[in-house]
Amino acid sequence: GENVEQHPSTLSVQEGDSAVIKCTYSDSASNYFPWYKQELGKGPQLIIDIRSNVGEKKDQRIAVTLNKTAKHFSLHITETQPEDSAVYFCAASPASYDKVIFGPGTSLSVIP
Amino acid sequence: SQTIHQWPATLVQPVGSPLSLECTVEGTSNPNLYWYRQAAGRGLQLLFYSVGIGQISSEVPQNLSASRPQDRQFILSSKKLLLSDSGFYLCAWSVGGANVLTFGAGSRLTVL
Repeated sequence: GENVEQHPSTLSVQEGDSAVIKCTYSDSASNYFPWYKQELGKGPQLIIDIRSNVGEKKDQRIAVTLNKTAKHFSLHITETQPEDSAVYFCAASPASYDKVIFGPGTSLSVIP
Repeated sequence: SQTIHQWPATLVQPVGSPLSLECTVEGTSNPNLYWYRQAAGRGLQLLFYSVGIGQISSEVPQNLSASRPQDRQFILSSKKLLLSDSGFYLCAWSVGGANVLTFGAGSRLTVL
């Protein structure tokens, strides 16, 4: 089955700097790669996703890149703000399955 | 619009007691439904998913079970709780084939 790894497990950046979180997946059949943000005590919320037919997607300060050959994808947050502090999860979903497999998460702290 | 309800929000139960967590979805038909568990400081572990009434797939063997008695109702149960069952339980739904998950607010279970 699919296995998703995520690095780093914790990340601390100064406000205004960029943050990068990297993930790898194992199942070459995966074709959908979402990113979720989880604030303390709440359920995760989808912030951006990418499908395997594109290599990069951007939405304001966040962007995701995908390298299908290497089976890795990354989340980039620019001009970080304190409200970006949260746990971020990457995930992968094979086209033939009705389930989404998550990475272990990255706890991001943005220092004012 | 679609909404997802999960209850109870918090629960403290003694070891060996039964468990019932309920999840309902409004505003959509025939959703895929999921139960995830998040142990303290850990990632999201897929426990069960369902693509239709009475259709349950189990991802992890354990003393938990799931049922889907109605199209938009998903129940997580246990006959006898273990200490290791403590965690944050999240229900989620998606439209079949899209795998874009929307999570509920979660149920925090503490087993003493």
